[in-house]
Amino acid sequence: KNEVEQSPQNLTAQEGEFITINCSYSVGISALHWLQQHPGGGIVSLFMLSSGKKKHGRLIATINIQEKHSSLHITASHPRDSAVYICAVRSSGNTPLVFGKGTRLSVIA
Amino acid sequence: SAVISQKPSRDICQRGTSLTIQCQVDSQVTMMFWYRQQPGQSLTLIATANQGSEATYESGFVIDKFPISRPNLTFSTLTVSNMSPEDSSIYLCSVGFYSGNTIYFGEGSWLTVV
Repeated sequence: KNEVEQSPQNLTAQEGEFITINCSYSVGISALHWLQQHPGGGIVSLFMLSSGKKKHGRLIATINIQEKHSSLHITASHPRDSAVYICAVRSSGNTPLVFGKGTRLSVIA
Repeated sequence: SAVISQKPSRDICQRGTSLTIQCQVDSQVTMMFWYRQQPGQSLTLIATANQGSEATYESGFVIDKFPISRPNLTFSTLTVSNMSPEDSSIYLCSVGFYSGNTIYFGEGSWLTVV
């Protein structure tokens, strides 16, 4: 079974700072997802990656398949970015997603 | 894309009772997934709800405790039976249109068992 590790577990940043959240996994994958969970519990999908890099607004996600590692970057962070960010991987086909424990981000104005 | 409506959003339940959570999707999907997220933990898959067949349960979850219905391609229910405080969690439904594509989650149902 794939093991997914995220770091850091908790992160506090000042508004405007550049933020990086890391995700490592143990077994080769077909896809990696970055998710955002707000305090009420709802989850939004940010990115799905199988290789390379994706960018959406102030968010950038990268993946290194050889190193089994992905990063989520937030540029010019804002208090509304405060949430839990979760990394999830799928090993192959329709196998279930395996989730990391999440990184709790607080951005202070 | 998909919009998922999940209810109840929050409930406080008495020990020993059962609660049914509903998940409604605004488009037809083949597979719907039910997850549990215990406090401070990551999401754990309970089962995959297949239309027209029995749900497929993950190790550690059984049908008697978490019966699931999937009467059509846009709706599913999860019942948490004979609840105990250990069942206090967020329960989320999720859909994906095919492997590796964007995944969608409901807003979650936050259950507290007292």
